[in-house]
Amino acid sequence: KNEVEQSPQNLTAQEGEFITINCSYSVGISALHWLQQHPGGGIVSLFMLSSGKKKHGRLIATINIQEKHSSLHITASHPRDSAVYICGLEWAGSYQLTFGKGTKLSVIP
Amino acid sequence: DAGVTQSPTHLIKTRGQQVTLRCSPKSGHDTVSWYQQALGQGPQFIFQYYEEEERQRGNFPDRFSGHQFPNYSSELNVNALLLGDSALYLCASSRGAAGRQPQHFGDGTRLSIL
Repeated sequence: KNEVEQSPQNLTAQEGEFITINCSYSVGISALHWLQQHPGGGIVSLFMLSSGKKKHGRLIATINIQEKHSSLHITASHPRDSAVYICGLEWAGSYQLTFGKGTKLSVIP
Repeated sequence: DAGVTQSPTHLIKTRGQQVTLRCSPKSGHDTVSWYQQALGQGPQFIFQYYEEEERQRGNFPDRFSGHQFPNYSSELNVNALLLGDSALYLCASSRGAAGRQPQHFGDGTRLSIL
């Protein structure tokens, strides 16, 4: 069974803190997506990666293919980062994305 | 450059009715995927359309059907609505025949079944 697990489910941080959200999966993938969903539902694609590391502003995404694990880091967190962060996987040989349940992040001023 | 647009934004239906949701992909995109997101859950893949054909389907009953038009826009149809169909329906577009493409999402249609 293709499974994706995210942790933690909920995360509260003080403004300025370094944040890490984790995503683990069970079988081989062709790509991993990190998405951000704000209240109201709109989803923004943050990263798509199949190896290594990507950085965009204060956001960093890493993936370890051998360990079947990815992390999303937010440096110098800000209240506007408050959102649900979702990990989505493209399984090898499939076009669909399978999503985790998401991590709800709240950054307090 | 318009992103992915979905209509309507909200919809209220009763059990047994039928509904059609619409999606216009981002300019330059030719692939449209539909997802259902229940409250507190991650999105669940319904199906993907490419070249006006359903290319892949998730674990959803035949009550869920779709269509892609020559201009790449797409519709999601749900028949015989059930209370459990209440959810946010998301459309995502991407470019090209291959996978491993960034997905661009619309803001979704929130469907409530009474």
